[in-house]
Amino acid sequence: AQSVTQLDSQVPVFEEAPVELRCNYSSSVSVYLFWYVQYPNQGLQLLLKYLSGSTLVKSINGFEAEFNKSQTSFHLRKPSVHISDTAEYFCAVSENQAGTALIFGKGTTLSVSS
Amino acid sequence: GAVVSQHPSRVICKSGTSVKIECRSLDFQATTMFWYRQFPKQSLMLMATSNEGSKATYEQGVEKDKFLINHASLTLSTLTVTSAHPEDSSFYICSARDERGPGELFFGEGSRLTVL
Repeated sequence: AQSVTQLDSQVPVFEEAPVELRCNYSSSVSVYLFWYVQYPNQGLQLLLKYLSGSTLVKSINGFEAEFNKSQTSFHLRKPSVHISDTAEYFCAVSENQAGTALIFGKGTTLSVSS
Repeated sequence: GAVVSQHPSRVICKSGTSVKIECRSLDFQATTMFWYRQFPKQSLMLMATSNEGSKATYEQGVEKDKFLINHASLTLSTLTVTSAHPEDSSFYICSARDERGPGELFFGEGSRLTVL
C-alpha cells in the first residue's frame, strides 16, 4: 500500500517570494506521482506529474517538482509566487499500472499575500 | 485532455431521502472509476473503486449498503447515497483513468451534497 505525507498543512508567503511544498511518499512498488491544485469550491486540477523519464517535471505556470527516489520525495517548488497561486495543493501517488487509485496527502494550503 | 463530468454539482436533500450522483467520461471509455469523499478543509478519501460490469470494491470503513455504486457502462458510474443523514454532507468527487494514456487520472468537478 502507498501513503503520502505532506509535511506542512499551511504555508504563508509574500508575493514574489519562492515557495516549496514538501511531499514524501512510501511504497513497496514503483509509483506515479502527482501534484493537484484545488481552488475554493472547485474540483481538482492536475498541476504536474511524474510517470517516468526525467525526474524534474514542470508545469506551464512556473511550478516544478523533482522526483527523488532515494529520499522518496516529490517536493513542489516555484521561484516566485503570485496572489493567484493561493489554493490547496495535494500530492498524490499511485502504483504505476492501470486501474489503481490515487492516494492523496492531507493537502497544503498555500496563502500568498501582498 | 480527457474530460470527466459529474452531475449534479450541488444537491440539497432532506434527511432520509436518497441522492444519485452521476460520473461520466465524455471522450474516453473507463473500465475503472474511483469515488472520493472530501470533508471541509481535508484531503480526499478514497471510498470505492467502481468496476464496469461487476461489483464495486469498497475501502475499509465505507458502508456499501449506504453508498451504492453502479458502473453499468464504460462511460457512466453512479453513486447513490441512500437514506442520507446530515453527516453524509460532503464533497464527492469521481475520477477515471484514460487507459489510452500512461496513467493520469481525470477528475470530475465534484458534487456538493448537503443533507438537511
